[in-house]
Amino acid sequence: AQTVTQSQPEMSVQEAETVTLSCTYDTSESDYYLFWYKQPPSRQMILVIRQEAYKQQNATENRFSVNFQKAAKSFSLKISDSQLGDAAMYFCAYRSASGAQKLVFGQGTRLTINP
Amino acid sequence: GAGVSQTPSNKVTEKGKYVELRCDPISGHTALYWYRQSLGQGPEFLIYFQGTGAADDSGLPNDRFFAVRPEGSVSTLKIQRTERGDSAVYLCASSLRGGLTIDEQFFGPGTRLTVL
Repeated sequence: AQTVTQSQPEMSVQEAETVTLSCTYDTSESDYYLFWYKQPPSRQMILVIRQEAYKQQNATENRFSVNFQKAAKSFSLKISDSQLGDAAMYFCAYRSASGAQKLVFGQGTRLTINP
Repeated sequence: GAGVSQTPSNKVTEKGKYVELRCDPISGHTALYWYRQSLGQGPEFLIYFQGTGAADDSGLPNDRFFAVRPEGSVSTLKIQRTERGDSAVYLCASSLRGGLTIDEQFFGPGTRLTVL
């Protein structure tokens, strides 16, 4: 079974600075998808960014980018120019590309933005 | 509405009671997912519907949990003989096609279930 591990329960960053959230995963599959979701206090999960494992190029979405290291099974999220609205729980998630359609989530990292 | 909606937003019940949680997916989405999020944890998969049928129910913890989607749109998660350990936020998500596509799963705001 696949597992996802986020080793940082909490992180904080000064507004306008850059922060990196870590995620590692374990799988025996070669084709899969990885995601970062944001969950504000409203509880609604919002997709931040996704990465297809077959793509070598790291995904970017405006201020959000990932560092995908397939051999190391590492998938970190970098947030540049942090804004107060970025404060939330961030979850890393895995999904098989050929098997189960479910998302497998990590335990989450609570991100605090200091003004 | 444009997004996934869930009702009720909060539900308090007593141990041993029966509860139903409802999910209205985005119109036209064929795939629907239920997840359970315990306090301080990431969501855990419960069940996945493709159309009216449960394509994967491997995450249901025991036979007290059951879900239906009779017309391929609205889904109801049913919990019998609730236990205090069932207290959690129950999240619903839908995606356009499901299956092996990379279609995004859009999440609802969840139902917070508290079993006293």
